[in-house]
Parts: sequence; C-alpha cells; structure tokens
Amino acid sequence: KQEVTQIPAALSVPEGENLVLNCSFTDSAIYNLQWFRQDPGKGLTSLLLIQSSQREQTSGRLNASLDKSSGRSTLYIAASQPGDSATYLCRIQGAQKLVFGQGTRLTINP
Amino acid sequence: EAQVTQNPRYLITVTGKKLTVTCSQNMNHEYMSWYRQDPGLGLRQIYYSMNVEVTDKGDVPEGYKVSRKEKRNFPLILESPSPNQTSLYFCASSLGQGMYFGPGTRLTVL
Repeated sequence: KQEVTQIPAALSVPEGENLVLNCSFTDSAIYNLQWFRQDPGKGLTSLLLIQSSQREQTSGRLNASLDKSSGRSTLYIAASQPGDSATYLCRIQGAQKLVFGQGTRLTINP
Repeated sequence: EAQVTQNPRYLITVTGKKLTVTCSQNMNHEYMSWYRQDPGLGLRQIYYSMNVEVTDKGDVPEGYKVSRKEKRNFPLILESPSPNQTSLYFCASSLGQGMYFGPGTRLTVL
C-alpha cells in the first residue's frame, strides 16, 4: 500500500528565504506526482505536475524534483513571500489509486 | 473556462436526512473522485470513477454512495448522514495529466 509522508508538518520562515518542502513515498511504481497549495478553507490549486519519466518541473519561483528510486520529491520555493503562506500537499498517482500526503503548513513572516 | 463545480458549498443538516452533493466538470475527463478532508487526517478518498458506469470504493466509502450516469457528473449521496460525516468534501477530475479540484463543500451534520 502506497504511503505518502510530508515532513515537516509545519514550517515558519522569514520572508525572502529559499526553502524546500519534502514528500516521500513508499512505492516507486508511480505514474506521476503533483504538488498543490491549499489556502485555509479553500480548494486545492495545482502547482506542478511531474510525470514518472521526468526529473523536475519549474514554474516561476517554484521547482519540483522527483527521484523515484529513493521515493522522494522536493518542492523548492525561491525568495519566499508572505503570499506563499498556505498548506502544500503532494499527491501520488499509481495504478488507479491516488494518495495524498498530509501536507506542510507554511508560514512566511514579513 | 475549465472547472469543477460543486453544490452546495455549505450545508447544515440533521442526522438521517438524505442529501446529495453534486459535482460537475466541463473538461471531458474520464476520472472523477470524491475526498473528505479532516484536521489531522488529511485528504482521504471516498469513491472514484474511471468512466461512465464504472465506480469503485476509495479508502473511506462507508456511509456514502455515488453514481456516474454521464461523464460530466459524479454526485455524492449520503443516504443517512451521521455527525461523523461532518467534514470538508472535495470533488476532483483528471485525465492523467493532473487533477482539478472543485471549491469544496463544507458539510455539518447535527
């Protein structure tokens, strides 16, 4: 059974810092991995999607990497801003099943 | 505009009163799914559907029903809601290239 873990559960950093969020998974037989952000009480917004054949994806200040052999993905946020404060979730898609991590709650302090 | 819509967005009801939460997508996606999100438990899949008339249980299907009579719609039915089904519910659709989420339905069962 696929298990997805996100550490840390919460992170607070000063504005302007670069930071890395982690997502680990137990079964490397995945189709793709997707990172989302969720604002309190709101839906999930897709940030980056990495197919199993890819190593990384970039969008603006965000860069996501995927290492299937080690069962890890990272989301790198450059030059963090208060507007980046949200919960970040990773989601793994395997055969028919989608599994979410519990998320990392990120707070960027002005 | 590509989107997933859910209705209602907020619902307060009483134990045992049947209710339906609708979900509709306009992207012709084959895969649709329902999740509930609870503090400390993250997103858990309730049911999913690979295509019209094809549905299957997720991780927490007890107390829920779904149907998929047409590709665009995937309603979630609670035949006899109970207080432990108070939660934030999300519908999602995908076509293998990432997931799109609805805005969420906050359900309270008294």
